[in-house]
Amino acid sequence: EAGVAQSPRYKIIEKRQSVAFWCNPISGHATLYWYQQILGQGPKLLIQFQNNGVVDDSQLPKDRFSAERLKGVDSTLKIQPAKLEDSAVYLCASSEDTFSGNTIYFGEGSWLTVV
Amino acid sequence: GQNIDQPTEMTATEGAIVQINCTYQTSGFNGLFWYQQHAGEAPTFLSYNVLDGLEEKGRFSSFLSRSKGYSYLLLKELQMKDSASYLCAVLDSNYQLIWGAGTKLIIKP
Repeated sequence: EAGVAQSPRYKIIEKRQSVAFWCNPISGHATLYWYQQILGQGPKLLIQFQNNGVVDDSQLPKDRFSAERLKGVDSTLKIQPAKLEDSAVYLCASSEDTFSGNTIYFGEGSWLTVV
Repeated sequence: GQNIDQPTEMTATEGAIVQINCTYQTSGFNGLFWYQQHAGEAPTFLSYNVLDGLEEKGRFSSFLSRSKGYSYLLLKELQMKDSASYLCAVLDSNYQLIWGAGTKLIIKP
């Protein structure tokens, strides 16, 4: 079974530039998550989708971050304009659904450095 | 507010046993996860507890006490490859995952 795919793996941009990350979840997984993880901290949920609807985006800085999951499969996370404090790993994850203790499977992450 | 507490860092010796504790205060409870994260890699699933008691899976075991808001991850026969961060996460009443900051485990020969 293919895992969660993410790209690009690494990205370096200057502040005020924009960046987009792509995620393809495990086939058949209804729930997709975008997490931000800063070194030495636990993952912080940015947005959670159930199919193509948003379940939780309370911690998404909506003035600069946006995410979409068209057709309930792939997802894109965009940052515009980027700030230095956005330097982090952006983890995409998926699970079969939200409403149970289903295992969440993570992609390898997209490492962003803002200079 | 919701809170997950874990020790920041622990050190143990190869071949020994180590217990990583996690205490939580959340709005409701629908299960507790343990994930392992090696440096520079994504978290990988270790265990899920929703009922009280001990769940054993090879060298790793996870314990839960819902009344005490407490869990631990027990690692036996430690190997150098067990050096990693261990993340505790709780599924709250809204089925949202609340994550701890993780415990960095250092294994010494």
